[in-house]
Amino acid sequence: GAGVSQSPSNKVTEKGKDVELRCDPISGHTALYWYRQSLGQGLEFLIYFQGNSAPDKSGLPSDRFSAERTGGSVSTLTIQRTQQEDSAVYLCASSSWGGTGAFTAGELFFGEGSRLTVL
Amino acid sequence: QKEVEQDPGPLSVPEGAIVSLNCTYSNSAFQYFMWYRQYSRKGPELLMYTYSSGNKEDGRFTAQVDKSSKYISLFIRDSQPSDSATYLCAMSDLYGNNRLAFGKGNQVVVIP
Repeated sequence: GAGVSQSPSNKVTEKGKDVELRCDPISGHTALYWYRQSLGQGLEFLIYFQGNSAPDKSGLPSDRFSAERTGGSVSTLTIQRTQQEDSAVYLCASSSWGGTGAFTAGELFFGEGSRLTVL
Repeated sequence: QKEVEQDPGPLSVPEGAIVSLNCTYSNSAFQYFMWYRQYSRKGPELLMYTYSSGNKEDGRFTAQVDKSSKYISLFIRDSQPSDSATYLCAMSDLYGNNRLAFGKGNQVVVIP
């Protein structure tokens, strides 16, 4: 596709349920990032993929959060046993950065996000 | 202390005014400095980026970086209603950093 695609765009769930959020990056982009944006907060880094590997998972807030990427393309962020504090917009971004050399950070392209509401 | 500080207060200006936004940071390893614009219910999009210190101008937008003070600014001249959005500063170091550090963002409203 022409841009980063995320689904669902909106998700309302009950506390304690599991949710899966999907990201389809720009074709050919090897780097993929998940960020979380809460009301009044900036973007909080969650995890970074280079290909199918996740060299940096340091931003995942707890072991209820996990992510995977398959085929060097689509990524899924899973939140188990959701809590109200998980309510946020989850943004995915992709980049053509290959993981070595100078990182031109301006190359990140963001999707429109998945808005998660936990009741 | 967060790596990047951006006073998240909203800003309302009349059309044609100059908008001034700024961020401070604590990590001296940051080399790339960016401003992202985010319209309501959309993802952020890169507006401008600057490497190291100095000024960069793009049309009505000017980005300034003062590394000695760890302070960056964005100026919007002749502001238009279409500039109404949230502006987020973001920063990265040069090598091996695979993530951006973002400020909280400023919501700007340009009143016609």
